[in-house]
Amino acid sequence: GQQLNQSPQSMFIQEGEDVSMNCTSSSIFNTWLWYKQDPGEGPVLLIALYKAGELTSNGRLTAQFGITRKDSFLNISASIPSDVGIYFCAGQRESGNTPLVFGKGTRLSVIA
Amino acid sequence: ETGVTQSPTHLIKTRGQQVTLRCSSQSGHNTVSWYQQALGQGPQFIFQYYREEENGRGNFPPRFSGLQFPNYSSELNVNALELDDSALYLCASSLTGTYYGYTFGSGTRLTVV
Repeated sequence: GQQLNQSPQSMFIQEGEDVSMNCTSSSIFNTWLWYKQDPGEGPVLLIALYKAGELTSNGRLTAQFGITRKDSFLNISASIPSDVGIYFCAGQRESGNTPLVFGKGTRLSVIA
Repeated sequence: ETGVTQSPTHLIKTRGQQVTLRCSSQSGHNTVSWYQQALGQGPQFIFQYYREEENGRGNFPPRFSGLQFPNYSSELNVNALELDDSALYLCASSLTGTYYGYTFGSGTRLTVV
C-alpha cells in the first residue's frame, strides 16, 4: 500500500537540541497530521494541519503544511527524554473520516 | 470518557488458522477503522465501518473481513492466516461529520507461526 516518504528514519540527539523531520508525497493531501507512538501503544495525535501554508504549534512542537500540499515538516524544540518514540506523519485526502496514509516513521532517541 | 480498547493484547496463531480481534470504540464515536502495522512500518488502512457497513477498504484481500455492531464496537476477522499477517493491528474510532480525527487503541499484536 501507499506510504509517505518520511525522513530521517532515525535520529540520535542530545537533550536540549532541536529536532526536525519531514514528510513528502507524490500526491496531494488536504490534511496533514503528526502522530507519536510509544512502545506497546497506538499512535497519539500531536498536531493536525488543515490548510496549505498553515503553521501550527503545540507546546514545543511546530508543524507546517507545505504550500504544494505534498509535504509537511515537524520541529521539536529543546528536546527532553520523554520525546523518545516514533513519530509518524499521515495524510488525508479530506478532513474527517477518510483513511490515513502514513509515513514509515522517524525513530527519535534522546541522550541525556 | 473511555478511550478505544482492543482485545486481546497479544495472540499467537498457526498458519492457516482464523483469528478474530475486537475493538470497543471511544464513547460518542460511531465510526471504526482498522489498520495493520508491520514491524518497522507505518500503519496501513484495512477498512472502515460506519452504520454497521463497510465504508471504505484498503489494499487487503477478502480474507480480511469485519463487523460493526449497534453499539459501534467492531471485530476484525482474518481467515487462512499467513506468516506475513504477523503485525500490530490497530483500531481507531472517530465521529463521522466532525474534524476531531481518530483515536487509536493500543493494538493487538498478532504473531503467526
